[in-house]
Amino acid sequence: NAGVTQTPKFQVLKTGQSMTLQCAQDMNHEYMSWYRQDPGMGLRLIHYSVGAGITDQGEVPNGYNVSRSTTEDFPLRLLSAAPSQTSVYFCASSDPDSFSPLHFGNGTRLTVT
Amino acid sequence: GNSVTQMEGPVTLSEEAFLTINCTYTATGYPSLFWYVQYPGEGLQLLLKATKADDKGSNKGFEATYRKETTSFHLEKGSVQVSDSAVYFCALKNSGAGSYQLTFGKGTKLSVIP
Repeated sequence: NAGVTQTPKFQVLKTGQSMTLQCAQDMNHEYMSWYRQDPGMGLRLIHYSVGAGITDQGEVPNGYNVSRSTTEDFPLRLLSAAPSQTSVYFCASSDPDSFSPLHFGNGTRLTVT
Repeated sequence: GNSVTQMEGPVTLSEEAFLTINCTYTATGYPSLFWYVQYPGEGLQLLLKATKADDKGSNKGFEATYRKETTSFHLEKGSVQVSDSAVYFCALKNSGAGSYQLTFGKGTKLSVIP
């Protein structure tokens, strides 16, 4: 049971570099989302998607880009990394109803120097 | 809009003590309520949920009852263990079409000492 798989687990970037955080799920969930977790801030929604070809912004979208070409994959792109993007990033997916829980990946810990 | 308020931590308890973590919410309609647990270095795992008023969710000795009259979903456990040390998040998911997003509280860190 793979569930939600995130890669890489750890990443260090220099300011201005770009990179893509990968997320894949094997549960055929229509809904996928990206959160960032910072101390004392809880989890904040970056972007989400309700199906292939459909994406939308969450609470903190600036500096991030997403696409959803397949049901399974939902990559998060950092366009030009900044120290403020140092965080732990979680991908999550669920069925599109009001009762189903989100299933989370194990996270990517990103440090921008 | 929706919001979830959890008691501030950290909470430190001795093994076998009784645990309560308070959670209250603000939402329109009839949300589903969730408790998630995050162990060190891991992602969030669903601990329990309740989808309508007066429902009781339970798992691994933890319980929480959906109280619409007080807009609360407090997490309780009768006897905590060292292995329960983790961060606990309360969350809600609103009802209605297109209701996919979870709104989270800020988390409560629990440390259980032997």
